[in-house]
Amino acid sequence: EVVMTQSPDTLSVSPGESATLSCRASQGVDKNLAWYQQRPGQAPRLLIYGASNRATGIPARFSGSGSGTEFTLTVNSLQSEDVAVYYCQQYNDWPLMDSFGQGTKLEIK
Amino acid sequence: EVQLVESGGGLVKPGGSLSLSCVASGFNFGDFSMNWVRQAPGKGLEWVSSVSFTSTYIYYADSVKGRFTVSRDNAKNSMYLQLNSLRVEDTAIYYCARDLIAGPGGDALSLWGPGTMVTVSS
Repeated sequence: EVVMTQSPDTLSVSPGESATLSCRASQGVDKNLAWYQQRPGQAPRLLIYGASNRATGIPARFSGSGSGTEFTLTVNSLQSEDVAVYYCQQYNDWPLMDSFGQGTKLEIK
Repeated sequence: EVQLVESGGGLVKPGGSLSLSCVASGFNFGDFSMNWVRQAPGKGLEWVSSVSFTSTYIYYADSVKGRFTVSRDNAKNSMYLQLNSLRVEDTAIYYCARDLIAGPGGDALSLWGPGTMVTVSS
């Protein structure tokens, strides 16, 4: 079973700056990695799939990279609407047992 | 409009049962594998169950295996989750979510419903 670990738990960034969120898999998941954004009081929303592909309607400010065990989500030009919890999820192994990371809370300074 | 809408949540006593539904619209429901994901209050996301597009493959998290049953009716564009022997720790928002790409399963989750709240308390 693959275990996903995100860091940091909380990240505080000034408006207009960039935020870098990390996700590590306990074993290789190729590029079968997704990132989700969950704003307060809302359902999760798919941001990135295949480690680096933006989902439909996602701004170019969001980018993903990595493969194997190390992945990164970068949010450029941070805006107030980006305040949310971000989750990574591996889908290399099916069923999706324990497939989500614990989340990184992104705050605005 | 492409959307998923869950229903059936509510307050139930420990040991009780509840039946959740997820109705899809705006896409060919029968082409996609579907999933249930839950989120306990103030906690992260937990995958609960998946059912492939033809119901050939059905999977459960260990925490719900033997107590929850997932099913789907492609003619009704609907997926269901039967929750039995409920525990306090099953208290959560339950989301249904669709796979990104049509096929047997094991994909990113590209479409989510707003969720339905299940509270297990005496």
